[in-house]
Amino acid sequence: EIVLTQSPATLSLSPGERATLSCRASQSVSSYLAWYQQKPGQAPRLLIYDASNRATGIPARFSGSGSGTDFTLTISSLEPEDFAVYYCQQRRNWPLTFGGGTSVEIK
Amino acid sequence: EVQLVESGGGLVQPGGSLRLSCAASGFTFSRYWMSWVRQAPGKGLEWVANIKQDGNEKYYVDSVKGLFTISRDNAKNSLFLQMNSLRAEDTAVYYCARGGAEPGPDWFDPWGQGTLVTVSS
Repeated sequence: EIVLTQSPATLSLSPGERATLSCRASQSVSSYLAWYQQKPGQAPRLLIYDASNRATGIPARFSGSGSGTDFTLTISSLEPEDFAVYYCQQRRNWPLTFGGGTSVEIK
Repeated sequence: EVQLVESGGGLVQPGGSLRLSCAASGFTFSRYWMSWVRQAPGKGLEWVANIKQDGNEKYYVDSVKGLFTISRDNAKNSLFLQMNSLRAEDTAVYYCARGGAEPGPDWFDPWGQGTLVTVSS
């Protein structure tokens, strides 16, 4: 099973600041990594797929990078609606696995 | 508009069974892999099961193998999850999610609103 480790667990930032979230895989997932955003009481939403491609309707302030075992989700300038929990997920191998999540909270 | 609507959740005793349904609309259901993903209260996301377009390939997380069965009815645009021998650790919100149209696993997009399953005596 591929284990995804996200860091930090919590990120405390102010609106307008840059957020950098990390996801590390226990073995290579090539570029088969996605990022999801989940707000309280809501279902997750796909943000980034195949490591660096924005999903439909996702603002350009969200970007993804990385390949192999190390990946980054960057939010260039936090908007109030971006404070949420973010999960990475791999589809390289079964079972499909998620990281433990990073909570981006208002400082 | 693509829409996924889950139903069938509720309170069940340990050892009991429950069948979840997911009604799909706004897309050609038979062209896509479909998935169930769950989230225990206050916890992260856990993939549960996937089913191929024609229903002939199914994959499960180890913890539910032999206990849960994923199925689909393409004529009725519906996805199902039969859950047997339920345990307290199966308590979660269960989400239905669409996969991809290509061979192999894909991303989950979009997701339904979820249905809560509570296993407790």
